[in-house]
Amino acid sequence: RKEVEQDPGPFNVPEGATVAFNCTYSNSASQSFFWYRQDCRKEPKLLMSVYSSGNEDGRFTAQLNRASQYISLLIRDSKLSDSATYLCVVNRGSTLGRLYFGRGTQLTVWP
Amino acid sequence: DGGITQSPKYLFRKEGQNVTLSCEQNLNHDAMYWYRQDPGQGLRLIYYSQIVNDFQKGDIAEGYSVSREKKESFPLTVTSAQKNPTAFYLCASSPPGQINEKLFFGSGTQLSVL
Repeated sequence: RKEVEQDPGPFNVPEGATVAFNCTYSNSASQSFFWYRQDCRKEPKLLMSVYSSGNEDGRFTAQLNRASQYISLLIRDSKLSDSATYLCVVNRGSTLGRLYFGRGTQLTVWP
Repeated sequence: DGGITQSPKYLFRKEGQNVTLSCEQNLNHDAMYWYRQDPGQGLRLIYYSQIVNDFQKGDIAEGYSVSREKKESFPLTVTSAQKNPTAFYLCASSPPGQINEKLFFGSGTQLSVL
């Protein structure tokens, strides 16, 4: 079983729509969780960390459910510029720390 | 401006040839990493280094080698033993005390086989 599983999509939504991505992780010892954004053939960039209580950054809301080992990202009022691949990332939390990346969920926002 | 520089942006390898991808950072970060990304796939860790003159294998180290002689530099060599080297290679670093917490990435090198 992969460390991090994501629905690859693609998700195609109109501007202004609300879209949600889900991600599951296999190792219950995982301690840190993130969403990265990656544009085509560019480097990934940190979008937001995910905290146990849930957190919001503008139009983006991240949620963590440790019991179900499940992470989500909600994007409200989608913009054309939100079109990208969203990577779910998990830190297993050992001393050395290792980040595990999901395969990414592709989002296209159309006008 | 501080950042991570990868070069070249595009690289072509002939059969049986070793090629080296460059990664330089001026962020004063201790930890550096090399990831490989195949189309439609997540990033997979090749090698990482937490300190000068030390490095560890990641999940897919076979056919690759690295060195860490300077804090700023972490070159990756793709050897002829790597039979399927075509991929997008990303170098990253992380700040002191935050190993793997937040990664700063270079802009990547696309390696293709001729």
